[in-house]
Amino acid sequence: DVKVTQSSRYLVKRTGEKVFLECVQDMDHENMFWYRQDPGLGLRLIYFSYDVKMKEKGDIPEGYSVSREKKERFSLILESASTNQTSMYLCASSLRDRVFGSYGYTFGSGTRLTVV
Amino acid sequence: AQSVTQLDSHVSVSEGTPVLLRCNYSSSYSPSLFWYVQHPNKGLQLLLKYTSAATLVKGINGFEAEFKKSETSFHLTKPSAHMSDAAEYFCVVRRLSGGYQKVTFGTGTKLQVIP
Repeated sequence: DVKVTQSSRYLVKRTGEKVFLECVQDMDHENMFWYRQDPGLGLRLIYFSYDVKMKEKGDIPEGYSVSREKKERFSLILESASTNQTSMYLCASSLRDRVFGSYGYTFGSGTRLTVV
Repeated sequence: AQSVTQLDSHVSVSEGTPVLLRCNYSSSYSPSLFWYVQHPNKGLQLLLKYTSAATLVKGINGFEAEFKKSETSFHLTKPSAHMSDAAEYFCVVRRLSGGYQKVTFGTGTKLQVIP
């Protein structure tokens, strides 16, 4: 079974803090993704990566950055957290040729971040 | 441009009765459509997908959906609800063009199953 593990289930951070959300997958997937999930808005893609040290902006990259130093790990960084970044963050991974919606595209269980 | 509209934010059914979760889409191209389910504290799981083959698509756990181009709909149904079906469901549209893909999520429908 592919596992996508997000290191924290719940996080509470203060405004202005630098926040790291970590995601690790154990199936040697090339692609990794960060989404944000908000009530009434569905999921929105923040950033994705097709390979180590590669990154691409998604639909809502403002206020975020990412790091992919190792194939299995994809970090989402909030340089200076703000209250409007309070949300559920979902990580996903897939093999290089597995587009969204394929059965090999796997989501983690999410990190609920609250910025106070 | 593409969009997807889930017509109900909450649906409540009694256990053993049919489930209908409605989804309408808009796409300038032939879309692929998906239904995902999210149980509390779990990741998103693919229920079923339509990718231009058969218009009636069967998925896991007894769910199915029918692609109706004339109505631009992709409603999710199940003949008999089970307590374990209580979750949030997302309709998703995807467009592929060469190496580019555009994915748009619906806003979700929370299904409540009453014993």
